[in-house]
This record gives sequence, structure tokens and C-alpha cells, in this order.
Amino acid sequence: GDSVTQMEGPVTLSEEAFLTINCTYTATGYPSLFWYVQYPGEGLQLLLKATKADDKGSNKGFEATYRKETTSFHLEKGSVQVSDSAVYFCALSENYGGSQGNLIFGKGTKLSVKP
Amino acid sequence: DAGVIQSPRHEVTEMGQEVTLRCKPISGHNSLFWYRQTMMRGLELLIYFNNNVPIDDSGMPEDRFSAKMPNASFSTLKIQPSEPRDSAVYFCAILSPYTDTQYFGPGTRLTVL
Repeated sequence: GDSVTQMEGPVTLSEEAFLTINCTYTATGYPSLFWYVQYPGEGLQLLLKATKADDKGSNKGFEATYRKETTSFHLEKGSVQVSDSAVYFCALSENYGGSQGNLIFGKGTKLSVKP
Repeated sequence: DAGVIQSPRHEVTEMGQEVTLRCKPISGHNSLFWYRQTMMRGLELLIYFNNNVPIDDSGMPEDRFSAKMPNASFSTLKIQPSEPRDSAVYFCAILSPYTDTQYFGPGTRLTVL
């Protein structure tokens, strides 16, 4: 079945450091790919998404490119801030008749940014 | 903006008691999802509805779990009887047909003693 694998955490960085969180996927069809972020005590918020190969999702300085050839969707940010400290989830959803199905999540990567 | 209200936010109960979690979408959607989050298993889909009809309940752990969606504005997840291993955060999410994106509620943290 479909699955998502993302790098184990926790990841600890200093403010203004470069961030990469790796994510690879296995899917039978042509899924949409997502990054969600979960701040302490809160629900998941969509950070960015890409719906087809070579699409780049971006939001709040974060970027990820849908790479079909490597089945990857790595999350990057050039300069992290303390406020970026959270748990980041990579996810995929198969598309059924043009509509999104349920999300399949990776285990999550906890990011801590120190001042 | 899409949004979801969940209640209660926190629930502490004793083993054997019935627990009912509630989800109220506050904007347009065509699908509603229930997920469970634990340290050991991460985020897992329990069940999802499309146009109020259950489509996939293969993630429901066992017969102790049941979910209903009597109308487009309300869904419940019931555990009867509850067990300590049911302790988790339960999330409700809706799929917006306008953005084709799932929006999550704040979750219900359930502790079964």
C-alpha cells in the first residue's frame, strides 16, 4: 500500500540555519503531496502542497518540490526562526476522480530552533 | 475559510466508560475524516465520510469504535467501552471542495485511566 517515510527527529537548529527535512513516498497512482505543521497543543495546519510532478509548493519561506523520479518531497527553508519550532508531517493523498482521498502521513519530524 | 470545531478538547475517563467525541464543520465540505494520533503509531485514519456516507472504515480498531454523520454539520466518534490503549488525540478534518485541501480541527485529547 501507499506509504510515506520522513527523516527521524528531533532536529535542532540555530536561528537562521538552513533546514531540510527529507520525505519519500510510495504510491500506486499519482498522489498529491503535502506538508502539514503541528504547533504544540494544536491541530495540523497545511503548510504547502503540490499536486503533480515538478510542482513546487511554497509558503512562509518553506518550499518543497514534487520529484516523481526520486519519489521525494523534501521540505526546505533557507533561514529558520524560533517560531518555526513545531512538528512537521509529510503526507500523500491519492486522487480519485479528481477529488482527494484520505491522507497518509509520515511519522513526523520535530524541529526545535534555538535563538 | 474552512474550519472545524471539536468537543470536548480534553476528556479523562475511566476504563469501561462510554466516550463520545464530537465534530462540527463550520464551512463547506464534501468529505469528513476522523484520525487518531499516538506516539507509537503516529497519525492514522479511522474512518471517512463522503456526502455523509461512510466510505472507508477499515481503520476503525474494533467493534468498540463507531462513527456517525447524521448530517453535513455534525459527526460523532463513539468508543464503548473505552480502554486505556484508546488514549490518544483524535482529530476531525474536512475536505474543502474549493481548495481540495483537508482542514483539521484542534483535536480531542482522550485519556482513559
